[in-house]
Amino acid sequence: DADVTQTPRNRITKTGKRIMLECSQTKGHDRMYWYRQDPGLGLQLIYYSFDVKDINKGEISDGYSVSRQAQAKFSLSLESAIPNQTALYFCATSDRTSSPQFFGPGTRLTVL
Amino acid sequence: RKEVEQDPGPFNVPEGATVAFNCTYSNSASQSFFWYRQDCRKEPKLLMSVYSSGNEDGRFTAQLNRASQYISLLIRDSKLSDSATYLCVVNSPGFQKLVFGTGTRLLVSP
Repeated sequence: DADVTQTPRNRITKTGKRIMLECSQTKGHDRMYWYRQDPGLGLQLIYYSFDVKDINKGEISDGYSVSRQAQAKFSLSLESAIPNQTALYFCATSDRTSSPQFFGPGTRLTVL
Repeated sequence: RKEVEQDPGPFNVPEGATVAFNCTYSNSASQSFFWYRQDCRKEPKLLMSVYSSGNEDGRFTAQLNRASQYISLLIRDSKLSDSATYLCVVNSPGFQKLVFGTGTRLLVSP
């Protein structure tokens, strides 16, 4: 079984809809992250969490919110989706901020 | 200046060739360095950590040059399966996060 899982893997939605992307991990890591990646571009950090009670904004948090329901679960919400949020979204985990991060398989989101 | 800079490539090499990528970083306080591999439309996967003394993993060798603030990845005897984008990753101590480069694309041809 994969250590970091994401659901859904693909999603097509319409402008204005609320969308939730979910991430679960079995690695026992405290730190979890959400990134987006646009074609030909690098990873951009949306939000990150060092533990259940600690949530931090990343570089591009506008239009997104997160919830850390448990050590193993970190969800990303788009409150009112817009077309320029069409991207590949990755969840990642690590045990320390200076340690390597391990990524889920990604969610491909299309906003029409 | 970007925190991490990489040549986007693509680097086109024949099978069996040796190829090297460099990556420069701007924060002299960075202590952790990694190379990741990303296949098209897939998640980044850790290829190797980069240690101060340099390290090797099979056909892959990573080096760190703190004085000039760059890390390198050398791939020997390239395989078709090495075709991917290679991401340079450096920690940002002040912000407690990792910074990912935009990647160098490698294409290995028969």
